[in-house]
Amino acid sequence: TQLLEQSPQFLSIQEGENLTVYCNSSSVFSSLQWYRQEPGEGPVLLVTVVTGGEVKKLKRLTFQFGDARKDSSLHITAAQPGDTGLYLCAGKSGGSNYKLTFGKGTLLTVNP
Amino acid sequence: SAVISQKPSRDICQRGTSLTIQCQVDSQVTMMFWYRQQPGQSLTLIATANQGSEATYESGFVIDKFPISRPNLTFSTLTVSNMSPEDSSIYLCSVDGPFRGTEAFFGQGTRLTVV
Repeated sequence: TQLLEQSPQFLSIQEGENLTVYCNSSSVFSSLQWYRQEPGEGPVLLVTVVTGGEVKKLKRLTFQFGDARKDSSLHITAAQPGDTGLYLCAGKSGGSNYKLTFGKGTLLTVNP
Repeated sequence: SAVISQKPSRDICQRGTSLTIQCQVDSQVTMMFWYRQQPGQSLTLIATANQGSEATYESGFVIDKFPISRPNLTFSTLTVSNMSPEDSSIYLCSVDGPFRGTEAFFGQGTRLTVV
């Protein structure tokens, strides 16, 4: 069974601060996805990383896929209250396996 | 992208009863996925529903408790049977994007409370 360990589980910061969320596994994933979920809504895809060492930027969000494709990080610069939500990483193992393995999530609260 | 409509968005049910959740997609898809998200937790896959065949259930989930229908390529239902308070969760349906496994689209979820 593949597991994705996500940390921290909870994070409460002030507006303007920077933060990093980590997603780690002992397994190799062919791709890894980051989602954000707001209360009362389903998760919404932020980014997919596929290549080891890949870095993708989405405005103030920077996503990195580890060289060995076992881990990933999400860095938010100058966090804003609108960034508040549950951040989930999810990995796909590749081949004919269509299933996604989700981490437990990081609940981020950005206080004004 | 796929637009997924899920109904009901929330419900409060008596223990021992059953609730059927509907999921409608705006395009034809081969597989639809049903997840459970317990309070403050991540997503756990319940089953995968293929049109024209029986759903494939994950370990810990059985058809008698969570029967699934998939009558066509745009629609599926999940029933939570003989409910207990432990079934209180958010239930989500999901489909893959066009490049299978590189993205997933979710309905808004059904928040179920069993009393």
